[in-house]
Amino acid sequence: DAGITQSPRHKVTETGTPVTLRCHQTENHRYMYWYRQDPGHGLRLIHYSYGVKDTDKGEVSDGYSVSRSKTEDFLLTLESATSSQTSVYFCAISTPGGTSGSGETQYFGPGTRLLVL
Amino acid sequence: AQSVTQLDSQVPVFEEAPVELRCNYSSSVSVYLFWYVQYPNQGLQLLLKYLSGSTLVKGINGFEAEFNKSQTSFHLRKPSVHISDTAEYFCAVSVKGGGNKLTFGTGTQLKVEL
Repeated sequence: DAGITQSPRHKVTETGTPVTLRCHQTENHRYMYWYRQDPGHGLRLIHYSYGVKDTDKGEVSDGYSVSRSKTEDFLLTLESATSSQTSVYFCAISTPGGTSGSGETQYFGPGTRLLVL
Repeated sequence: AQSVTQLDSQVPVFEEAPVELRCNYSSSVSVYLFWYVQYPNQGLQLLLKYLSGSTLVKGINGFEAEFNKSQTSFHLRKPSVHISDTAEYFCAVSVKGGGNKLTFGTGTQLKVEL
């Protein structure tokens, strides 16, 4: 898994509670991403980071926030979990390449299964 | 904005038969194209990618894909599948200069049967 760990791997929580998922990498990659995977939707980008303290929104960012205080850790927080946030969450990392900073392979973590009751 | 369409949600195939998984994309700007594979209860792993140059791209595990700009397609093929190829396959695009963000298709479940 290219030196990527996610914690916890499984979590059950109740509606309205805050939840934080952690992604940790040992590869010193600059870019980190959070995706959610849902049946019929594939993977959708929630937020991404292009450096320490540099983050931006993806296509499904509502209800989520992120923080990156050091290169190796990227945290995803659900401020007040809802049942619609039940999903499998994947972290990914990459290093920008070329002049356009794109086209690089993303390496994915093992995922976190979140159930919001 | 770009989008990816994977026309088949499930593809059953017998072992040692050929298979093609279809992917079409839509984008107003140039893109890079990827195929990822996901085995049960695992993360995604890159199979192959097209950046530029030859339109026929070879990847791991005997898979290949052909970029067709006029048809905006990037179909994945394997001449002879094995039971171990049973997995979900995702096509994805990223926009050139777009920060390497991926837009995924909805996935195709390949089921290889004896």
